[in-house]
Amino acid sequence: DARVTQTPRHKVTEMGQEVTMRCQPILGHNTVFWYRQTMMQGLELLAYFRNRAPLDDSGMPKDRFSAEMPDATLATLKIQPSEPRDSAVYFCASGFVDGVYNEQFFGPGTRLTVL
Amino acid sequence: GNSVTQMEGPVTLSEEAFLTINCTYTATGYPSLFWYVQYPGEGLQLLLKATKADDKGSNKGFEATYRKETTSFHLEKGSVQVSDSAVYFCALSDRSNDYKLSFGAGTTVTVRA
Repeated sequence: DARVTQTPRHKVTEMGQEVTMRCQPILGHNTVFWYRQTMMQGLELLAYFRNRAPLDDSGMPKDRFSAEMPDATLATLKIQPSEPRDSAVYFCASGFVDGVYNEQFFGPGTRLTVL
Repeated sequence: GNSVTQMEGPVTLSEEAFLTINCTYTATGYPSLFWYVQYPGEGLQLLLKATKADDKGSNKGFEATYRKETTSFHLEKGSVQVSDSAVYFCALSDRSNDYKLSFGAGTTVTVRA
């Protein structure tokens, strides 16, 4: 049963610290998405990759957030420096997007708390 | 642009009651439509989908029919259980937006025994 995995599941850190979240997409999927979920804003798309190439990161605060996909089995989302307003649940999702099969499969999320 | 509007919650029901969550959409292309479910403390799971007009998606007793004429994709279940308590998201994707998902705000459903 293939699943998207994310680490860590929970992270508590202090303002100003660097945070790195990791995602292992489902093998064979060509597209990886990063979302943020908060009570106020709901689900927001931060960035996404296709075949490891970044396609759109317009949803991310550019000065502090960065997303990379160093290889097909790993996507990372980094926040440096972190701020209390970054507290949220961050989800990674992957899918094989070809115009026919377009559903996305979500990981369990990383719950980030910035004090 | 694409957008999804779904019925605001929260919705509270008794076990075995009928559930309907309304969802309407606006899309520039010919979208695929989805319902995702999020159980407490978990990520979103695909519940069902439909890719063309009049398609009916179904799973775990839930159904939704793609209605192009009314641009709707309402979710229904005839007899809910306590285990159906979750947040339900309607979503769409199409080629005009490179198949990114556009989500509704989510509807929280609580089923009481």
